[in-house]
Amino acid sequence: SQTIHQWPATLVQPVGSPLSLECTVEGTSNPNLYWYRQAAGRGLQLLFYSVGIGQISSEVPQNLSASRPQDRQFILSSKKLLLSDSGFYLCAWDRVNSPLHFGNGTRLTVT
Amino acid sequence: SQQGEEDPQALSIQEGENATMNCSYKTSINNLQWYRQNSGRGLVHLILIRSNEREKHSGRLRVTLDTSKKSSSLLITASRAADTASYFCATDVGFGNEKLTFGTGTRLTIIP
Repeated sequence: SQTIHQWPATLVQPVGSPLSLECTVEGTSNPNLYWYRQAAGRGLQLLFYSVGIGQISSEVPQNLSASRPQDRQFILSSKKLLLSDSGFYLCAWDRVNSPLHFGNGTRLTVT
Repeated sequence: SQQGEEDPQALSIQEGENATMNCSYKTSINNLQWYRQNSGRGLVHLILIRSNEREKHSGRLRVTLDTSKKSSSLLITASRAADTASYFCATDVGFGNEKLTFGTGTRLTIIP
């Protein structure tokens, strides 16, 4: 069966520090991969999605970037975190005509 | 503004009662999906209803879709404490999940 791993679960980082969140998917090949951010009490905001290695689409211009170095690996990065980057980050995958499957998220607090 | 808006924002009911949550949206859709999120966790897909369907069932879940009113409802029957979670509707306007728009959710609390 397919599983999605996302780490770390929680992260506290100072303003101006770099960020790297990693997501990997097992049990499927060539998935579509997504990064979402969820602010407290809000819905999900799509940040990036990828349909293949090296193919990244950005939905919201911001302080973050994404990379897909391998078929089932998706990385969310920042060179310098801002206070406004705090939030709950969720990785997800899907295949054509299937629903989204989410990881358990990373709670990021920028101090 | 959000494509999908859930109503109510929060709902508390006694265990065993039925819970109904509503979702309204603005533009034509290809399908509408409902997800559940336990506190501090990722979302879990519950059910998908296509624009040409009016009702769908899955276990204790019943989803209806009224495209003329641009609204959907999620009914959970015989609620259990484990149903305590936030529930989100998400609308697909026909371009796949990369264009899925999530509402702000209904926070459901089941009182034992």
